[in-house]
Amino acid sequence: DQQVKQNSPSLSVQEGRISILNCDYTNSMFDYFLWYKKYPAEGPTFLISISSIKDKNEDGRFTVFLNKSAKHLSLHIVPSQPGDSAVYFCAASETSGTYKYIFGTGTRLKVLA
Amino acid sequence: GAGVSQSPSNKVTEKGKDVELRCDPISGHTALYWYRQSLGQGLEFLIYFQGNSAPDKSGLPSDRFSAERTGGSVSTLTIQRTQQEDSAVYLCASSLTQHKYFGPGTRLTVT
Repeated sequence: DQQVKQNSPSLSVQEGRISILNCDYTNSMFDYFLWYKKYPAEGPTFLISISSIKDKNEDGRFTVFLNKSAKHLSLHIVPSQPGDSAVYFCAASETSGTYKYIFGTGTRLKVLA
Repeated sequence: GAGVSQSPSNKVTEKGKDVELRCDPISGHTALYWYRQSLGQGLEFLIYFQGNSAPDKSGLPSDRFSAERTGGSVSTLTIQRTQQEDSAVYLCASSLTQHKYFGPGTRLTVT
């Protein structure tokens, strides 16, 4: 039973355009969400997070939006750059301090030059 | 600075053999986690250490899997009598606060 779902296994975007990666969750107890980025042969690295008390968090080119009623979050990257090409994992937890993140299956983003 | 390191980076083993995977966390990080990623799956939580104790082992798939951590530092994940379904990338992470820092993983292939 996948509590965190990333339904698009891959996405291709032209350089300079917006990349939108989506994530859905089923557990209404989740209140802290994160995005990790993973390059081949490397471990995932933390990208951005959002608490359920917010609906948007922005960090440079990266913005995460949270729609609690729809149990949906998205990561926007604008403008997209070739170096953004990686696998992006969405993760969720029940409190911000907990150790147990539930990860999605990842979306492979390819930014075309 | 040194990040989380894992060894070996790749391991091929025959079905039925035991394997040990090692994780060296970032110095000073009290929490350590093991995850695995099977083909087409997300990162699956296996076990969490706080110091040398493991408050949550609920993700270990079977009693063939065990892990220990010594000196509040290095951790070893042991898989006994490996099966083909154990083939995956095993990722270790450590943290001091809430954000986890992942190692590059060990790709385990059971033939």
